[in-house]
Formats: sequence, structure tokens, C-alpha cells
Amino acid sequence: GQQVMQIPQYQHVQEGEDFTTYCNSSTTLSNIQWYKQRPGGHPVFLIQLVKSGEVKKQKRLTFQFGEAKKNSSLHITATQTTDVGTYFCAGEDTGNQFYFGTGTSLTVIP
Amino acid sequence: NAGVMQNPRHLVRRRGQEARLRCSPMKGHSHVYWYRQLPEEGLKFMVYLQKENIIDESGMPKERFSAEFPKEGPSILRIQQVVRGDSAAYFCASSPAFRSDTQYFGPGTRLTVL
Repeated sequence: GQQVMQIPQYQHVQEGEDFTTYCNSSTTLSNIQWYKQRPGGHPVFLIQLVKSGEVKKQKRLTFQFGEAKKNSSLHITATQTTDVGTYFCAGEDTGNQFYFGTGTSLTVIP
Repeated sequence: NAGVMQNPRHLVRRRGQEARLRCSPMKGHSHVYWYRQLPEEGLKFMVYLQKENIIDESGMPKERFSAEFPKEGPSILRIQQVVRGDSAAYFCASSPAFRSDTQYFGPGTRLTVL
């Protein structure tokens, strides 16, 4: 069945270092969304990508959607302690099924 | 515009009891989703509902779990005869139209089964 895997599962970085999480789908996605969940909180929508090869930026966050629309990445430049949390990708396949990725938990060490 | 509301925020039940979790979607949203999150794990889709209809329940356990979204009132996730393995955070999300729209999550209900 469909799987949306994220790597790494956990990432510890020193404050100021960069961070990247990768999202890989076993099938083509019509779109991909990214969510952030702070410890003890609930997922909060960050962004949606729709077009093949699309790149979007939000301040220190850069989101990419792969050319084949089967993978995506989230890159954070110069992490801050406020970036701590779990980042989930979520995508809809061409059969209108929607899946959340396994998540990457980011810890930022001050 | 109030966000997605869930209650109770914390629920403690003994094994064998029933748990009822409520979700009021954002105003104007007619699509509701329920997810379960075990400690240190990701979100597991359970069920997708529109008003008075279950659209996709492929993530729901076959027994003891049911969900509804009546014409009036909140969506309800019902767990009968709870077991310790049901202990988790249950999140509800809503969206205005299509499933692939941005989903707005509620604060979750933390269920503990003793």
C-alpha cells in the first residue's frame, strides 16, 4: 500500500546549524503539505506545494516538491530553539487518498 | 473565527468503559478527520466524514470504534470497551471542502485508559 516515509526520524542540531527533512512517497502525489507539531501541541499547517519542482520559502524555511512529485524536502537555515518540534509531510495521491508521513522530530540544542 | 474545538482535552477511563470524544469543526468547514497519535509516533488516519456521511473509514479499527458527524452538533468519535492500547492523543481536523485542503487541527483529546 501507499507509504509516505520521512527521514531522518530524529535529528539533533546545535542552534545555528541547518536542518533538512526528506519526505518520500511510494506513488505520485498530486500535492504535498507540511505541518509542524510542537511538543505537547497539535499539528499546524505550514505550506502546500502543488507543482512539479516547486520551491517555496517562508523566512528561514525552504520547501521543495520533486520533479516526479514523489518526494519533498523541508530545509531550515540557521535553526533556532523555536524550531523544535516534529515536522510532518502529508500528501494526496492520484486516487484522492491522503497520507501523513512518519514525521521528523527536531531537537535544537542551545 | 474560533478554531477547531475538541473536548474533553483529557479523558481518563477504566478498561471496559466507553470513551466519547467530541469535535466541533471550524465555522464553515464541512469536512472532519480523526487521527490517532501514540506517544512518540506519527499521525495515523482513522476516519474522514462529511455531514451525515462517512467518506473513508479505512483507518478505523473494525471493532469498538465508531464515528459520526450529524447534521447538527459536533462530530463524535466513540470507543467502546476501551483497552490500555487505546491510550493515545486523538486529534480532529477540519477543512472547508476537499480532503486535500489545508487541515486545521484541534488541540486533541488525550485519552488515558487505566
